[in-house]
Amino acid sequence: EDKVVQSPLSLVVHEGDTVTLNCSYEVTNFRSLLWYKQEKKAPTFLFMLTSSGIEKKSGRLSSILDKKELFSILNITATQTGDSAVYLCAVGATGNQFYFGTGTSLTVIP
Amino acid sequence: NAGVTQTPKFRVLKTGQSMTLLCAQDMNHEYMYWYRQDPGMGLRLIHYSVGEGTTAKGEVPDGYNVSRLKKQNFLLGLESAAPSQTSVYFCASNLRPQGRSGELFFGEGSRLTVL
Repeated sequence: EDKVVQSPLSLVVHEGDTVTLNCSYEVTNFRSLLWYKQEKKAPTFLFMLTSSGIEKKSGRLSSILDKKELFSILNITATQTGDSAVYLCAVGATGNQFYFGTGTSLTVIP
Repeated sequence: NAGVTQTPKFRVLKTGQSMTLLCAQDMNHEYMYWYRQDPGMGLRLIHYSVGEGTTAKGEVPDGYNVSRLKKQNFLLGLESAAPSQTSVYFCASNLRPQGRSGELFFGEGSRLTVL
């Protein structure tokens, strides 16, 4: 059975802290791994990773994929209250399927 | 610059009633998806479509039907609503499922409550 597991389920940090969110997967016919940020409404796209070992970076956020060990991490440095959200990991496979994890809820306290 | 639009955004139904959720996208995307999101369960795929006139079952299709008569619209129907269908429903689309434009674009969600 294909599955995506995210950890931790929730996290509370203070502004300025650095956080690491984890996503492990067991998905046959893996094609890509995507990270989304979900505040109150629609998930918004952060990164898509297809190659192992290549870091994607956008401002204070970065992500890397390890296709051998079947996991990805999302790092957020110098966290701000605006980073508070649920972060979703999704794995795309052949056959037009995307498998989502349950998400990590991040709360950043001022 | 609408992207993916879902209507209605909120709805309360009684058990046994029927309703249709409409998803419209203006990005000329081929692929469209309906997901449901429940606490602790993540996003689960209900049905999807790879092009106009096509539909396919996802992970949790029972109790739902879909239609894709026009490329820009993807309808999700509940023929006889049940309390277990209380959820937040998200429509998504993308140009190609994989490759450089593989990211999913989401609508803002439709919160459905079945009493």
